[in-house]
Amino acid sequence: DQQVKQNSPSLSVQEGRISILNCDYTNSMFDYFLWYKKYPAEGPTFLISISSIKDKNEDGRFTVFLNKSAKHLSLHIVPSQPGDSAVYFCAASGAGAGSYQLTFGKGTKLSVIP
Amino acid sequence: DVKVTQSSRYLVKRTGEKVFLECVQDMDHENMFWYRQDPGLGLRLIYFSYDVKMKEKGDIPEGYSVSREKKERFSLILESASTNQTSMYLCASSPRGRGYNEQFFGPGTRLTVL
Repeated sequence: DQQVKQNSPSLSVQEGRISILNCDYTNSMFDYFLWYKKYPAEGPTFLISISSIKDKNEDGRFTVFLNKSAKHLSLHIVPSQPGDSAVYFCAASGAGAGSYQLTFGKGTKLSVIP
Repeated sequence: DVKVTQSSRYLVKRTGEKVFLECVQDMDHENMFWYRQDPGLGLRLIYFSYDVKMKEKGDIPEGYSVSREKKERFSLILESASTNQTSMYLCASSPRGRGYNEQFFGPGTRLTVL
């Protein structure tokens, strides 16, 4: 049972345009969401997060939107740059015991075309 | 600069060998995790530990064991390596407590079992 879903395995975007990566979750106990970026042969690096008490969090070119009623979040990258080409993982954690565990989606490979 | 290090970047082993993957973090984090990453499957949790000498099974513990004798070190053991354990192995750590859900990852070990 996949609790965090990234339904698009890959996405191609022209340099300078907006990249939108989507993530859906099924567990209503999740209250904190993170995006990680991963280059080949490297470990994932934290990109941006959002708490369930917010619906938007912004950090430079990266913005994460959360729609709790739809159990959906998205990562917007504007403008996209070739260096953004990587695999992006959505992750979620919940309240209570074991809240430090993260449940990851399967990832979306973003290719930014120069 | 915070850091999670893994003993090897690349490792080649034979079927049936006992394999040790070492992970060390210098952030004094209580929680440590082992994941494997496979194409199309995302990050899957193998084992985690929330304290010295404590361990909990993740989603795919079969064929693996772990050891945490010191706070900074978390070892993953493949008792008898098999070809289906060929994968990228990622170690992560995080501090205990609410609001500290971000996990910090090491660079990964690419293990090939022949």
